[in-house]
Parts: sequence; C-alpha cells; structure tokens
Amino acid sequence: DAGVIQSPRHEVTEMGQEVTLRCKPISGHNSLFWYRQTMMRGLELLIYFNNNVPIDDSGMPEDRFSAKMPNASFSTLKIQPSEPRDSAVYFCASSLDAIGELFFGEGSRLTVL
Amino acid sequence: SQQGEEDPQALSIQEGENATMNCSYKTSINNLQWYRQNSGRGLVHLILIRSNEREKHSGRLRVTLDTSKKSSSLLITASRAADTASYFCATDGGGTALIFGKGTTLSVSS
Repeated sequence: DAGVIQSPRHEVTEMGQEVTLRCKPISGHNSLFWYRQTMMRGLELLIYFNNNVPIDDSGMPEDRFSAKMPNASFSTLKIQPSEPRDSAVYFCASSLDAIGELFFGEGSRLTVL
Repeated sequence: SQQGEEDPQALSIQEGENATMNCSYKTSINNLQWYRQNSGRGLVHLILIRSNEREKHSGRLRVTLDTSKKSSSLLITASRAADTASYFCATDGGGTALIFGKGTTLSVSS
C-alpha cells in the first residue's frame, strides 16, 4: 500500500481565498483524522471520521473550516475564506480504529499571505 | 487541548549515549503511544503500550508506563545521529481520538 496520500504538499495563497486539502487514507482503515501542526500550538486534532461519519469536530477552529468524507477512500478539508493565522502544516492520518496506531501522510504545508 | 506533555522540550546528546524522554498526561487512558517526526515529514508510530502494561521493548526503544502517576517514559539506547527527530506521546483520553503533546526535540551529534 502507498500509505496515506495528501495533496497538495505545499500551498501558498492569499487571504480570503478558498483552500481545499485532500487526503486518501489507507485502504481498509475505518478511521480518518485531520490534525493541524504549528510551532505555537503543537499538533491539534481538528476532526475525525469513523466509517465516513464525522464523530468529533470540536477541534475545528470556526465555521470557516469544513471537512467531508464522501467515501472510504477520500476526504477533504476546506478553509473558506482563508486567513494568515491558518498558516500551518495540516496532516491527515488513518487507522483501523480511533485509538489504534495512526498512519500519517506527509502533510500539506499551507501559507496564507 | 493538550492531553500529554513531554519533558524535556529539547535534548542534545552524543552518539552512543542513551536518551530519555518523559510524558505526563491528565485523564485515564486505554493506551499510550509514542511517535517520531523527522523534520518536514509526517509522524511515524514507534510503540503502543496498553494501560495494563508497565513496560514494553522494541529494538533500542524501551517504554514504561505508570498509570498511578499518569506518566510514561521513552528510552532510546545507544543513540545514533539518525535518531535526531521530534518525539511525541499521544493518549486516547479514555476512548477518544489521540491527542498529542508538543514533543521533545532530540539532537544526536556524531
């Protein structure tokens, strides 16, 4: 298996633009997670899905953030409109269950100017 | 919110020395996990220890867990330059998704 695949790896955009980050989890994994990593706040859980259903989105910063998982092999994290404080590395991870071993993608580094 | 907290924040050692990192957490757990992150890369799982286990080994890694003190330690023996990375503990808070600490940055010089 190729592992968790994220795209794009790098994104530079201007404030106010829409940003869409994509994730393909490992086939057969039932849980998918979105994390955000910054120097100041470390690694924060944004949202996680189990069997394509959002279970906990309490970490989503505000209404500008939304996440979807239309099927077992694809998820998106959207920021609209983007702000400079959204600049971070966004990681997607998948696992067989919510508290088991996580497999991380290489991350999407977002810079909002 | 941060469930686990690693200590120290940064650690510098020479090749061949042992490195010890500690993690403290706040609530009861089902398991505790340690991850490694090389610069610019995603996190990689190292080891999982269940709440009813006290010690676990994997190669040069030794993890201990003390649930009465809500703490864990990761020991890397005979460190190598390739062990240079950030190390994170993660806990499930009793059944939720994993919450990570801010990590310990380990630098191993040759």
